[in-house]
Amino acid sequence: DGGITQSPKYLFRKEGQNVTLSCEQNLNHDAMYWYRQDPGQGLRLIYYSQIVNDFQKGDIAEGYSVSREKKESFPLTVTSAQKNPTAFYLCASSPGQGDTQYFGPGTRLTVL
Amino acid sequence: EDQVTQSPEALRLQEGESSSLNCSYTVSGLRGLFWYRQDPGKGPEFLFTLYSAGEEKEKERLKATLTKKESFLHITAPKPEDSATYLCAVQAARAAGNKLTFGGGTRVLVKP
Repeated sequence: DGGITQSPKYLFRKEGQNVTLSCEQNLNHDAMYWYRQDPGQGLRLIYYSQIVNDFQKGDIAEGYSVSREKKESFPLTVTSAQKNPTAFYLCASSPGQGDTQYFGPGTRLTVL
Repeated sequence: EDQVTQSPEALRLQEGESSSLNCSYTVSGLRGLFWYRQDPGKGPEFLFTLYSAGEEKEKERLKATLTKKESFLHITAPKPEDSATYLCAVQAARAAGNKLTFGGGTRVLVKP
């Protein structure tokens, strides 16, 4: 079955630690995205990548980093510089520019 | 700056009681308006894309319409399984990275 997988589903982090969230897709999509969702707020774009080995900052990139070494994978690292990392993180992909974005199941990150 | 406002924030319906959700938007050149459904703790599920004023799309009990300033999601004779948060998002014609700007969502609860 084609789709987007995210792991882990739940993640707990101590203050000062970096953590990496996994996102994999087998849809052969070129573009991939990371969004953050907070209660009562709309999804906000963190980073996006339109092609392998290239990525761009979104609206709230501070404290986050990404890589795009393979077409199928777009991991997100939440660094200790992110002041309020507790949130629901969503990965999405689309076939190309302007196409519909399809979302993964999400990772809930909690900072202890 | 692109903006999306959804109303109401929450909607309680009796099974079979039809209603409409509103998505008002301002965008510098609309490429597309997207509707998603999100169940608690899960990623958004794509429903519809609308591209131009006057366009309508239907799927089971859901019908989405678009004007130059807003979109409506009509739920006809809803069932309890239609309970979810419905998200609206716009994509500007010149959006860097095909960015989606999301509204805060409408939480719909359908009681049997």
